[in-house]
Amino acid sequence: DAKTTQPTSMDCAEGRAANLPCNHSTISGNEYVYWYRQIHSQGPQYIIHGLKNNETNEMASLIITEDRKSSTLILPHATLRDTAVYYCIVSLYGGYQKVTFGTGTKLQVIP
Amino acid sequence: GAVVSQHPSWVICKSGTSVKIECRSLDFQATTMFWYRQFPKQSLMLMATSNEGSKATYEQGVEKDKFLINHASLTLSTLTVTSAHPEDSSFYICSAREQRGFNEQFFGPGTRLTVL
Repeated sequence: DAKTTQPTSMDCAEGRAANLPCNHSTISGNEYVYWYRQIHSQGPQYIIHGLKNNETNEMASLIITEDRKSSTLILPHATLRDTAVYYCIVSLYGGYQKVTFGTGTKLQVIP
Repeated sequence: GAVVSQHPSWVICKSGTSVKIECRSLDFQATTMFWYRQFPKQSLMLMATSNEGSKATYEQGVEKDKFLINHASLTLSTLTVTSAHPEDSSFYICSAREQRGFNEQFFGPGTRLTVL
C-alpha cells in the first residue's frame, strides 16, 4: 500500500469547516483513498472513500486532486463530537487487502 | 451501516492466564477479519488477517503461537492471547469486511486487556 502523510494535529472552531489534508504521492492507479476516524478509546469509524472523483456523504466530503497525489477530507460544520484522530489510508480494492494505519491527524474542535 | 461487536469490552487477568476475545459481524457476512493492537497514544498496528476457513496470516513480529486466531464462520473470529503477560496489556480491535463491499472495514468497539 502507498504511504500517506498527514499533519500531526489541527484545531478547528466549532461550526466552521474542518479541512484535513493527506499526501499520498506514491498512490497507484487502482488504489482507493479511505478515511477513518477514531474517537478516544473506541474502534475506528469509516467516513468516506474515493478513487478519482470527489465524493460526498452525510458525514463529509472528499476532494482528490487530479493527479491523485493528495486529498482533503472536509467536515463542513465541525462539532465537538468530531474531535478525534483522522486516518487517511490508501488501499487496493478487494476483500483480502490489508490496510496499514499511519499516525493520523488529531483534530481538536474548539468551542 | 454494518455492525461489528467485540466481547468482552474489557478484561483484567493474571499473568500466565489465557484470554479469548470474540469479534462478530452482526448483520453481514465477513470473509475477512482483521485484528489490530493499539498501545496508548499510538496508531493501530495490524496483527493478523483472518480468512474464514483458513489459517490466519500474521504480520511480521507477531507470535502466532501466542496470539491464536480462529475464524470459524463468516460472522465470528476469535483472538486468544495465551499465557498473557503485562506487556500484552493493550487495546485490541477487530474489523471485518463484507463479502460484497467497497473495501471499507467496519471496526469493533475494541477490547481493553489489562494483565496484572
